[in-house]
Amino acid sequence: DTGVSQDPRHKITKRGQNVTFRCDPISEHNRLYWYRQTLGQGPEFLTYFQNEAQLEKSRLLSDRFSAERPKGSFSTLEIQRTEQGDSAMYLCASSLGRGGDYEQYFGPGTRLTVT
Amino acid sequence: DAKTTQPPSMDCAEGRAANLPCNHSTISGNEYVYWYRQIHSQGPQYIIHGLKNNETNEMASLIITEDRKSSTLILPHATLRDTAVYYCIVRVGQPGSARQLTFGSGTQLTVLP
Repeated sequence: DTGVSQDPRHKITKRGQNVTFRCDPISEHNRLYWYRQTLGQGPEFLTYFQNEAQLEKSRLLSDRFSAERPKGSFSTLEIQRTEQGDSAMYLCASSLGRGGDYEQYFGPGTRLTVT
Repeated sequence: DAKTTQPPSMDCAEGRAANLPCNHSTISGNEYVYWYRQIHSQGPQYIIHGLKNNETNEMASLIITEDRKSSTLILPHATLRDTAVYYCIVRVGQPGSARQLTFGSGTQLTVLP
């Protein structure tokens, strides 16, 4: 257990539905990252927050995806009008944001299945 | 960030050293080498990082060649719990910079009893 939690761990939804995932980072960490991982591939970066500010977004983050981090604590990732291609593991990571900030701590992930 | 090349899979006998190679021939002077691993159904876990000197911590050792074009992660006494996918990542900037990790496909290490 890294101290980063994600909820839910598994989500099955029908195509076209909206889903929202939550990530709770380690409390003193001010950087938060979202990644997506499909079967057999390494994680791919989606977006990054420094406190409550979303500072970087990947081209993978289509307009159906939105992420927030109100008050710089937990974060949510919403996918609207889900498609079968959205089926993946969604990983959240956090890091300290100062000093020797070389380590990202990952949560266990949320596995999304779109039917 | 420089691309990395890793073998897709390796086996290692339990109790022996596991040596995982990584090629990063296009690495530039300000890029660090990071290693993460991902045990099945878990998120990735940081192992070690280095710039040009060899590094050791409680989990592993990192050997970087003098020209920095390749590196080897060494798990000195592999256990069954070390079975995982190991990712070699090259990333620009100081460790404190806010850079996302760019993962490749990694090496599936299987530790055999």
